[in-house]
Amino acid sequence: DAGVIQSPRHEVTEMGQEVTLRCKPISGHDYLFWYRQTMMRGLELLIYFNNNVPIDDSGMPEDRFSAKMPNASFSTLKIQPSEPRDSAVYFCASSRRGGTPYNEQFFGPGTRLTVL
Amino acid sequence: GENVEQHPSTLSVQEGDSAVIKCTYSDSASNYFPWYKQELGKRPQLIIDIRSNVGEKKDQRIAVTLNKTAKHFSLHITETQPEDSAVYFCAAISGGGADGLTFGKGTHLIIQP
Repeated sequence: DAGVIQSPRHEVTEMGQEVTLRCKPISGHDYLFWYRQTMMRGLELLIYFNNNVPIDDSGMPEDRFSAKMPNASFSTLKIQPSEPRDSAVYFCASSRRGGTPYNEQFFGPGTRLTVL
Repeated sequence: GENVEQHPSTLSVQEGDSAVIKCTYSDSASNYFPWYKQELGKRPQLIIDIRSNVGEKKDQRIAVTLNKTAKHFSLHITETQPEDSAVYFCAAISGGGADGLTFGKGTHLIIQP
C-alpha cells in the first residue's frame, strides 16, 4: 500500500488566492482527518469524515476553509481567500475503525503551505 | 473539549540513559492515548498507544503508563539511542464517539552522544 497520499507537497501562493489541498486515504480506511501544524498552535484537528460524511468540523478556523470528500478515495481542503496566517503544514490522516474502538491514524507526508 | 498538556517541551539526555515525557488530559471520558514521533520535516508516526482499560504497555525500549484517576499518562524510553532524537507528541481521543486526536504541544528529545 502506498500510504496516505497528499498533493501538492509544497504550495506557495499570494494572499487572496484560492488554495486546494488534496488527499487520498489508504484503501479500505473509513475515517479521514485533516490536521494543521504550526509552531505556535502545534497539531490541530480541523475536520474529520466517516464514510465520506463530515462528522466534526468544529476545528475549521473560519468560513474561508471548506472540506469535501466526494468518495472514499479522495478529499479536498480548500482555503478561499488565503491569508498569510494560513501558512502551515497541513496533514491528512486516515484510519480504519474495524472491531476496536479506535485504531492508528496514518498520516500523509503533509502539504507545506506558504501564503505571501 | 479535550485539553492535553505535555511536559517538558525540551528534554536532553545522555545516550544510553532513560527519557520520560509526561502528559495530562482534561476529559475523564477519554479512552485512547497514542504517542507519535515526528522527525524534522517528516510526518508524525505512531510509536505506541494505550487504551483506558490498560494501565501499562511495553514495546521493546518504549513503554507507556496510564493513570486514569489522575488523568495522567507518560512515555518512557530506555537505553536511548541517537535515532530517538525527534519531537514526541502525546494525544488523546475523548469518549462519546469523537475520533479526532487532541495533541499535546510536543517534546523535543535530544540524545547527547
